[in-house]
Amino acid sequence: GENVEQHPSTLSVQEGDSAVIKCTYSDSASNYFPWYKQELGKGPQLIIDIRSNVGEKKDQRIAVTLNKTAKHFSLHITETQPEDSAVYFCAARAGSYQLTFGKGTKLSVIP
Amino acid sequence: DAGVIQSPRHEVTEMGQEVTLRCKPISGHDYLFWYRQTMMRGLELLIYFNNNVPIDDSGMPEDRFSAKMPNASFSTLKIQPSEPRDSAVYFCASSFGQGPYEQYFGPGTRLTVT
Repeated sequence: GENVEQHPSTLSVQEGDSAVIKCTYSDSASNYFPWYKQELGKGPQLIIDIRSNVGEKKDQRIAVTLNKTAKHFSLHITETQPEDSAVYFCAARAGSYQLTFGKGTKLSVIP
Repeated sequence: DAGVIQSPRHEVTEMGQEVTLRCKPISGHDYLFWYRQTMMRGLELLIYFNNNVPIDDSGMPEDRFSAKMPNASFSTLKIQPSEPRDSAVYFCASSFGQGPYEQYFGPGTRLTVT
């Protein structure tokens, strides 16, 4: 089955700096890669996703890049703000409707 | 729409007791997923349904766990008997299979088994 590795597990940045979270996947058939943000006491919420026919996608301060050859994808957050502090999860889906999640990255934005 | 609704939000029970977690998916969604989240293992898929039919239950840890979806607007996850190692946050999520595939998560049920 699919295996998703996520790094780093924790990340601290100064407000205004950029944050990058990286994930690798094992199944070359995976074609859908969402990123979820989980705030304390809440369920994960989708913030951006990318499909295998696209190399990069942006939404305001958030961008995701995908390298199918290397089987890795990354989340980039620019101009970080304190409200970006949360746990971020990457995931991959290959064929079926189930997602395989990474272990998460706890992002702390220091004011 | 109110989003995915889960109840209860918190459950504390003693080892050996039966626990039932409930989920109401978003209206119109035809896929429903049950996940368990722990610090050690992260977010794990337990089982998912399509049009009320269980499709893959390979993530269910053992026979003490069972899930049902009697209709399109309701699902339960039952643990009988419960054990301390079942303590976790259990999430329900739903999606629309015809796209855009986004899974919408509920707020979760925090289960503590003493």
